Amino acid sequence: NAGVTQTPKFRVLKTGQSMTLLCAQDMNHEYMYWYRQDPGMGLRLIHYSVGEGTTAKGEVPDGYNVSRLKKQNFLLGLESAAPSQTSVYFCASRPGTGYEQYFGPGTRLTVT
Amino acid sequence: KNEVEQSPQNLTAQEGEFITINCSYSVGISALHWLQQHPGGGIVSLFMLSSGKKKHGRLIATINIQEKHSSLHITASHPRDSAVYICAVSPFGNQFYFGTGTSLTVIP
Repeated sequence: NAGVTQTPKFRVLKTGQSMTLLCAQDMNHEYMYWYRQDPGMGLRLIHYSVGEGTTAKGEVPDGYNVSRLKKQNFLLGLESAAPSQTSVYFCASRPGTGYEQYFGPGTRLTVT
Repeated sequence: KNEVEQSPQNLTAQEGEFITINCSYSVGISALHWLQQHPGGGIVSLFMLSSGKKKHGRLIATINIQEKHSSLHITASHPRDSAVYICAVSPFGNQFYFGTGTSLTVIP
């Protein structure tokens, strides 16, 4: 099992550009999450999904969109990147029962 | 507002020392998690607990639900324990709240 994978691992964008981060899990987990991690702050929830075809806003959703068309994939989109979106992005998943989360390796995004 | 507070923020220890990291939270929870983040960035789950105490090798985690407090202990610390340790709580819902982490450095 690969667990949770994220693509890409690194990316540099110019202000105003768009991109999509892909999270994939092969554990048949119901729940998937996108977090951002910034220096001096804990992980903050951007969006999450409780199952295929569902999405919900987290603590810091502005400037991001998500989709979960397939159970194993959770996409995070930035339509018009801003320097404030420079961060490390983590995807996580967990089963429908139980609360243990499994994290991806992270994507380091820099917006100049 | 911070639902989860950790202390200390930074910790330096000599190899072999006993280490304690504390976590306090302000919401009702179904479970508390201790996570480890190595310098390479990956995050792994160490413990998930809702009561009492759990032990895994040299790591021990305890939780006091009434006091809304948890501790992570590392016995006989080793340089490979150097990492950021993150406390997280899962209230009765779908979301998690995370502390800002404790950066541990163990010196040989």
